[in-house]
Order: sequence, then structure tokens, then C-alpha cells
Amino acid sequence: DAMVIQNPRYQVTQFGKPVTLSCSQTLNHNVMYWYQQKSSQAPKLLFHYYDKDFNNEADTPDNFQSRRPNTSFCFLDIRSPGLGDAAMYLCATSRGRESGQFFGPGTRLTVL
Amino acid sequence: DQQVKQNSPSLSVQEGRISILNCDYTNSMFDYFLWYKKYPAEGPTFLISISSIKDKNEDGRFTVFLNKSAKHLSLHIVPSQPGDSAVYFCAASDYNTDKLIFGTGTRLQVFP
Repeated sequence: DAMVIQNPRYQVTQFGKPVTLSCSQTLNHNVMYWYQQKSSQAPKLLFHYYDKDFNNEADTPDNFQSRRPNTSFCFLDIRSPGLGDAAMYLCATSRGRESGQFFGPGTRLTVL
Repeated sequence: DQQVKQNSPSLSVQEGRISILNCDYTNSMFDYFLWYKKYPAEGPTFLISISSIKDKNEDGRFTVFLNKSAKHLSLHIVPSQPGDSAVYFCAASDYNTDKLIFGTGTRLQVFP
């Protein structure tokens, strides 16, 4: 089945220790997104790629970086996680606005 | 400044009755609206959408209504089933972008 896969599902890191979250898709969608969602809040867009074109949201902290080495994979790097970065991180893909976005199951990040 | 608002954090409905979930938006540039459903430990799943050229879209038990003058949309589920118990997110986008702006979600509980 075509899908969006996120690994790991749960990630625990220490304060200040870099962490990488990964997302892969078999849908062959050209647009990929990373969202951060904290408890009882709306998912908040961090970045998105239109093919290889990277788009950073204005309020995404510099601590967050992303890479998309090919159509199928996208990574979220958090260089120095703080306690406030503990959240669910959702990856999504799309092939265009009116097709909607398809989400992975998310990675729950805990920062100790 | 939240552009998409879901003012009811939770809703409880008896099985077989109608569930009505509401969403308000402030940005008059939004022209495409979506509803997503989210179960615990899963990513959001696309449910139904509506373009601003329409005022109603129906898919089985799910109907979305759009009132552009009031900047309000609603999702009707009838009849409600226990399996509909989930968090429902409203999202919106404008014609310039593939980005979605999400509301904070409404937790629907359907009880027997």
C-alpha cells in the first residue's frame, strides 16, 4: 500500500543532543511537509519542499533544519533540542493543493 | 493570531444522532477547506473537503457546509457511530499556496 512512513515512532533525546527524524513516502508526491504539534494545539508547519525547492516558515526556529535527498525521503534535524521542542512531529505529502495532504503516523519526541 | 478556530475542544454525541463540528476562519483569502480525522497514535487522515465555489459537499455520512459570508464551516456526521470517536481538525488554504492552516481540533466522542 502506498503510504507515508515515519521513523522512529518514539524518540527520546537529551537536552542539547542532536536528533534526526525521518520520513519516507511511496506515493511519489512532489510536495513534502514537516509539522510540529504540541498537545491540544494545531499542527504547525515548519517547512515544506516543492520538489527540491525548500520553503521555511518565518517563525521556524533556526535550531530546526531539513533535508530532502530525493523524492522519497525527507529528514528533520533538530540541532540542539530544548525542553520546548518536545512534541509530535508529523510528516505529510501532497501532489497538489486539491488532492489534500497525506500524513504519516508521527514521531513523538521527548527531551530529557 | 489564529486564522482557523475550532472553539469547541470536545463534543459528546449519542450513537445514531447527528454530530456537528464547527470551524471559523478569519482570512478571506482562504478558498479551500478540509476536514481531517485523527485517532490516537496515528497521523491525521483526510476526510472531506470543500472549495469556496460551493456551499455544500457530501460524502456518505459526512457533509461539509460552507458559509462564506460568515467565514464559517461545519462538518455534519449522520448517523454518528462509535468508530467516529476521534479528534477532528479543520484546515484551510488560499489559492497562492499548498500550505494548510489548521485549527486546534475538536474531540468527538460517540457513546452507545
